[in-house]
Amino acid sequence: DIVMTQSPDSLAVSLGERASINCKSSQSLLYTSNNKNYLAWYQQKPGQPPKLLIYWASTRESGVPDRFSGSGSETDFTLTISSLQAEDVAVYYCQQYYSSPPITFGQGTRLEIK
Amino acid sequence: LLEQSGADVKRPGASVKVSCRATGFTFPSYGISWVRQAPGQGLEWMGWISGNSGNTEYAQKFQGRVTMTTDRATNTAYMELRSLRNDDTALYFCARGPDPYSSSSYFDSWGHGTLVTVSS
Repeated sequence: DIVMTQSPDSLAVSLGERASINCKSSQSLLYTSNNKNYLAWYQQKPGQPPKLLIYWASTRESGVPDRFSGSGSETDFTLTISSLQAEDVAVYYCQQYYSSPPITFGQGTRLEIK
Repeated sequence: LLEQSGADVKRPGASVKVSCRATGFTFPSYGISWVRQAPGQGLEWMGWISGNSGNTEYAQKFQGRVTMTTDRATNTAYMELRSLRNDDTALYFCARGPDPYSSSSYFDSWGHGTLVTVSS
């Protein structure tokens, strides 16, 4: 199974500042035949299901604000929020879909306002 | 939209069957995965079913204890988990993947979750 490890476990950032969450996979998520990284990011607010933010490591889902961006390749990925808003307080998860079964998720990163 | 059945309480050793009705999209064009979340914990993928063929893939951890099915007439997916234990207490989500032929997918739509409590 591919192990996904996020860092940090929790993060406090001031409003308007940049927030970055890292995700490392135990093996490459880059499929060379199509040059795509099989990595997604989700946001989960209390009492809600996860919401897809980013897929293919850097493609923003329709309707997601452009302050959210994804980067990285192979085993190291980053979710960046360019200017933190109050409504961005949530837990963020990365997910690999390169190898299934099983699909695996990172342990989550809790983002708070400083 | 994915509409899930309501919360349920079960005794240890019992079975639970959770439903997930899809509206607003063509069921056979997608796959449905089931993901659970224990209280205060992260996300755990349980398995996948093709909305097209009904093929399934399960996480090793749940093999032999879980069955996923679909009813194409009602656009509904079901997840049955047997031999319930206390640590099966969790919020169970269905989630849609855009590929009906592979479980290797991200999830672009999620149900609201069904709380299953296992307690004696």
